[in-house]
Amino acid sequence: LAKTTQPISMDSYEGQEVNITCSHNNIATNDYITWYQQFPSQGPRFIIQGYKTKVTNEVASLFIPADRKSSTLSLPRVSLSDTAVYYCLVGSPSGSARQLTFGSGTQLTVLP
Amino acid sequence: ETGVTQSPTHLIKTRGQQVTLRCSSQSGHNTVSWYQQALGQGPQFIFQYYREEENGRGNFPPRFSGLQFPNYSSELNVNALELDDSALYLCASSLGGEWDGRSYEQYFGPGTRLTVT
Repeated sequence: LAKTTQPISMDSYEGQEVNITCSHNNIATNDYITWYQQFPSQGPRFIIQGYKTKVTNEVASLFIPADRKSSTLSLPRVSLSDTAVYYCLVGSPSGSARQLTFGSGTQLTVLP
Repeated sequence: ETGVTQSPTHLIKTRGQQVTLRCSSQSGHNTVSWYQQALGQGPQFIFQYYREEENGRGNFPPRFSGLQFPNYSSELNVNALELDDSALYLCASSLGGEWDGRSYEQYFGPGTRLTVT
């Protein structure tokens, strides 16, 4: 499983766009990139998943350059409730054993 | 649609004891994964059950064991508890089987906070 590197923490202000970058230099051809969000004392929540280029859903966008060695999670116009830990995961859906390997994540703090 | 539920919410045990944690998967999901999350760290994969069989295991000793039942609910058993087993234990359900492009969309329960004294 490819290892990921993320910033330990980030601060932002309400209404700003936040970009969290994840490095995964050893990503394999079959690997997908997935982001999860976790609030204190809750289980992680799936945000977005992608393989290449750009993916957008109702809560976030995921930008993946051509070499796929990094990815950027973009949160538009954050609010206080977006304060959470964000995890970048890389892995391959081999068969039905889809193990998630979490790193230490990025603690995002949104300030008023 | 019922989400993932776990019981109990909190549990206090003493070193050497045994504990059983329970998880009900989301309706329609046939795969359950268990994770251990120590304070300040990301969740660590313990094992996964797919159609009642263990289907992948992380770096945890054999005293961590599990079961999945025909209704796809699951149990995590930990024997001979150690102080380092104190953590939040998370259960996640998903739809296993053929890759459908959404494999990593796992749905987590709220967790069971285990304290070993």
